[in-house]
Amino acid sequence: SYELTQPPSVSVSPGQTARITCSGDKLGNTFASWYQQKPGQSPLVIIYQNTRRPSGIPERFSGSNSGNTATLTISGTQAMDEADYYCQAWDTSTSYVFGSGTKVTVL
Amino acid sequence: QVQLQQWGAGLLKPSETLSLTCVVSGGSFTGYFWTWIRQSPGKGLEWIGEINQGGTTNYNPSLKSRVAMSINTSKNQFSLSLNSVTAADTAIYYCVQKRGMAAAENWFDPWGQGTPVTVSS
Repeated sequence: SYELTQPPSVSVSPGQTARITCSGDKLGNTFASWYQQKPGQSPLVIIYQNTRRPSGIPERFSGSNSGNTATLTISGTQAMDEADYYCQAWDTSTSYVFGSGTKVTVL
Repeated sequence: QVQLQQWGAGLLKPSETLSLTCVVSGGSFTGYFWTWIRQSPGKGLEWIGEINQGGTTNYNPSLKSRVAMSINTSKNQFSLSLNSVTAADTAIYYCVQKRGMAAAENWFDPWGQGTPVTVSS
């Protein structure tokens, strides 16, 4: 079955850049989406189709996808960005699959 | 703006059947696949399956033998049934709209509020 691997945690100082990776076999050949989930809330899409940002999502969130790795970048990280982040992709054998999640801590 | 509101029993005994329903408001119900996704501490986010207004379904192969989805287009509702539940089915269950065209392009938005389901004897 297809798997997406994320680091369990990422720490970042306010105002700095956080990068969250999502690794999967030939992930760059498909599209990746990213979801933000804060405690007690439902996931919220922040990046879809690798780089597209839904309306209302701040410009400091951006995405890329190449080779075996998709990356979510948070530029100028703010305290409100502290949350869990999940990547998601589609595979012919597994259908829709999610990464295990990365907890972003803003120190 | 599309909103999803879901409900269903939150406490089940092993071997019982999980039943959840989701109602869609504020947007078009047709032309989309409506999805169930669950989240558990052990398995993270897991796609359960989807249904469209024509009743076409696609299920996660790992759950396919126990899952059934139905749809009521007159009420803008869709439902999930999962039989023979065990403790491994304990999770928060979300109803979600699937967006995009081709499968590889799809993403999920918006999400319902989630229904915590616990399976315990």
